Amino acid sequence: DIVMTQSPDSLAVSLGERATINCKSSQSVLYSSNNKNYLAWYQHKPGQPPKLLIYWASTRESGVPDRFSGSGSGTDFTLTVSSLQAEDVAVYYCQQYYTTPPYTFGQGTKLEIK
Amino acid sequence: EVQLVESGGGLVQPGGSLRLSCAASGFSVSRSYMSWVRQAPGKGLEWVSVIYSGGSTNYSDSVKGRFIISRHNSKNTLYLQMNSLGPEDTAVYYCAKERAATGLFDYWGQGTPVTVSS
Repeated sequence: DIVMTQSPDSLAVSLGERATINCKSSQSVLYSSNNKNYLAWYQHKPGQPPKLLIYWASTRESGVPDRFSGSGSGTDFTLTVSSLQAEDVAVYYCQQYYTTPPYTFGQGTKLEIK
Repeated sequence: EVQLVESGGGLVQPGGSLRLSCAASGFSVSRSYMSWVRQAPGKGLEWVSVIYSGGSTNYSDSVKGRFIISRHNSKNTLYLQMNSLGPEDTAVYYCAKERAATGLFDYWGQGTPVTVSS
């Protein structure tokens, strides 16, 4: 099974500042035949279901603000919130879909306002 | 509009059973890959089980042999039969639709809480 490890576990950032969350997979999730990274990011707010933010490591889901961006390839990935807004407070998860099942998530990163 | 509505959660004693339901609208459960994902208190998301459009199923090692995923095509509803429940199964259970067999979960229900306690 592919193990996903996020860092940090929690992060406090001032409003308007940049937030960066890292995700590392135990093996590459880059599929060489199509050059796509099978890595997604979800946002999970209390009392709500998780929401798909980014897939293929860097493609924003429809309707997701452009302050959210994803980068990385192979085993190392980053989710960046360029200018933190109050409504971005949530737990963020990375997920690999290179090898399923099992579908594996990172342990989550709690993003808060400083 | 795609909607997923879970029900059936509650308090159950250790060793007991519970059946969760997930009523879908706006798409066909039988033509989709559907999963159950859970979140234990203070923990992250954990995939539990999947049923594919062809009807085959898969389970995480933590629930294999105890949980059964199924669907009722005419009711457009997904189920999770949970047996031999233990405190470690306490969680909010979400049903989730997979986008076009990609492995991405594009729609989720609101979740139904399950508490296993005496």
